[in-house]
Amino acid sequence: DGGITQSPKYLFRKEGQNVTLSCEQNLNHDAMYWYRQDPGQGLRLIYYSQIVNDFQKGDIAEGYSVSREKKESFPLTVTSAQKNPTAFYLCATESKGRNLGKHFGDGTRLSIL
Amino acid sequence: KQEVTQIPAALSVPEGENLVLNCSFTDSAIYNLQWFRQDPGKGLTSLLLIQSSQREQTSGRLNASLDKSSGRSTLYIAASQPGDSATYLCAVHSGGGADGLTFGKGTHLIIQP
Repeated sequence: DGGITQSPKYLFRKEGQNVTLSCEQNLNHDAMYWYRQDPGQGLRLIYYSQIVNDFQKGDIAEGYSVSREKKESFPLTVTSAQKNPTAFYLCATESKGRNLGKHFGDGTRLSIL
Repeated sequence: KQEVTQIPAALSVPEGENLVLNCSFTDSAIYNLQWFRQDPGKGLTSLLLIQSSQREQTSGRLNASLDKSSGRSTLYIAASQPGDSATYLCAVHSGGGADGLTFGKGTHLIIQP
């Protein structure tokens, strides 16, 4: 979706390093989400935020952290505590009311060096 | 807990054929169902969104149907083209869980020229 920008497209992490994935949207959507996609496992929810300055853990939040200081931005930090970070990370947004469906960015592929 | 199953997991057909992808879900109390397309290394592109009160939605050569009572949705692709080759994901919004969304694992579609 053109309204959601994820960067970088590819990211490499050294052991013990924290890395931050960016997600910016210009759709004026209230809710933002981070998913992790692994081969054969489908999408799993990491964190989500319904409004600015508030966010909640998803199904696999351990080893990750987020912030939501602006409506347009929802960065995800993969910490050194996440022992298996290699995956494809997808950011999504949704308008209030949750009846118009989710919109996704183009993803960031994170690999271990 | 909602479970979503997509059959087949992979499908290869000659160009020009009409084809049907299937999605089944275990809990019929849903808000909507969304079909996505994912190209290799890319994010999810929304194809069709069907609200719980609707029976079908159409966009170009795509038609998605919804039968809540039987817990099924189908995505019909008419006159398939090589450019339709991608993974197709079904996502059910049932209000449960943090984001209310449960994804299937997808159908990997190859259209042979």
